[in-house]
Amino acid sequence: KQEVTQIPAALSVPEGENLVLNCSFTDSAIYNLQWFRQDPGKGLTSLLLIQSSQREQTSGRLNASLDKSSGRSTLYIAASQPGDSATYLCAVRKETSGSRLTFGEGTQLTVNP
Amino acid sequence: GAGVSQSPSNKVTEKGKDVELRCDPISGHTALYWYRQSLGQGLEFLIYFQGNSAPDKSGLPSDRFSAERTGGSVSTLTIQRTQQEDSAVYLCASSFSPSSYEQYFGPGTRLTVT
Repeated sequence: KQEVTQIPAALSVPEGENLVLNCSFTDSAIYNLQWFRQDPGKGLTSLLLIQSSQREQTSGRLNASLDKSSGRSTLYIAASQPGDSATYLCAVRKETSGSRLTFGEGTQLTVNP
Repeated sequence: GAGVSQSPSNKVTEKGKDVELRCDPISGHTALYWYRQSLGQGLEFLIYFQGNSAPDKSGLPSDRFSAERTGGSVSTLTIQRTQQEDSAVYLCASSFSPSSYEQYFGPGTRLTVT
């Protein structure tokens, strides 16, 4: 059974700091990995999606990397801003079990002005 | 354009009552998913539709839970004889096809069973 773990569970940083969120998964047979952002009381917003054949994806200040063989992904946020405060979730889609996503518990990020 | 919509946004019900939660996917999206987010359990898959059929309903926690999709569009998740442990946020997502890369999520329905 696929298990997804995110570390740390919570992170508080001052504005302007660069930071890294970590995601690990137990079964390396994945189709893709997706990073989401969730604001309080809201749904999920997709940030980046990395296919299993890719090593990284970038969007603005965000960069996500994937090391499929070691079962790890990182989300790098550059020059953090208070508006980045949210819960960040990673999710993997397994190759052989259809289209469901398996989610980690999330990292709650607070960026202090 | 319109995203995934869900209704109601909040639902409070008494233990033992039945509830229906609705999801309107993005127009043209053939795949639809239901997930549940509860404290201590994280975000869990419930059921997946391709068109009107459900190839994977393995995440439904008990036979009190059922879902249907009609016209390849709107889906309804029904919970019968609700229990307090059913309290959670129920999220719906859709994608253009099952093999599409991204799933787009709705805002969720917060269900509270008293």
